[in-house]
Amino acid sequence: AQSVTQLDSQVPVFEEAPVELRCNYSSSVSVYLFWYVQYPNQGLQLLLKYLSGSTLVKGINGFEAEFNKSQTSFHLRKPSVHISDTAEYFCAVSPLYREKLTFGTGTRLTIIP
Amino acid sequence: DGGITQSPKYLFRKEGQNVTLSCEQNLNHDAMYWYRQDPGQGLRLIYYSQIVNDFQKGDIAEGYSVSREKKESFPLTVTSAQKNPTAFYLCASSISGQSNSPLHFGNGTRLTVT
Repeated sequence: AQSVTQLDSQVPVFEEAPVELRCNYSSSVSVYLFWYVQYPNQGLQLLLKYLSGSTLVKGINGFEAEFNKSQTSFHLRKPSVHISDTAEYFCAVSPLYREKLTFGTGTRLTIIP
Repeated sequence: DGGITQSPKYLFRKEGQNVTLSCEQNLNHDAMYWYRQDPGQGLRLIYYSQIVNDFQKGDIAEGYSVSREKKESFPLTVTSAQKNPTAFYLCASSISGQSNSPLHFGNGTRLTVT
């Protein structure tokens, strides 16, 4: 079985400052990794995914994430945030050969003007 | 535009009543899913279906039922046996149901049972 930990339930950041949202996972097998974003009262949208290849993955809206196998982490970063980035962000992990997606508990990103 | 439509957006029911949440997709995706979202708990899988006329229980299936009679439709019934049904329900689909296929989500139905 796999698990996902998002240690920060809330992250306040000033507008135009950088941000990092942390995600750690545990799994006995190799995994695929995903970040989703949820705007208020909406469903989730895919931000980016790591399937294989380069460990630095670029996504939509200027976000990127780095897969670190030794630290079992997949932290999400953005160099300069905007008010429109206010949302909840979910990390998710799925084992390679079994369809079983597990979500973290989410991190609420609040941008301070 | 292709997408997933969930209706209604808000639903109110009295305790003891069954209620059905609608989910329709026009993405031609094989797999469909139902998740429940509660504050601070992330998303938990209720049921999923990888093919018409077949579905499997997720992590919290008790008190829920589904059907998959058409590829486009995957309705969820919240029965009176569900002890704590008030929640935000999200329907999703993926191309193949394989583990590398990202999910596409609807905008959710917020169910309140009193």
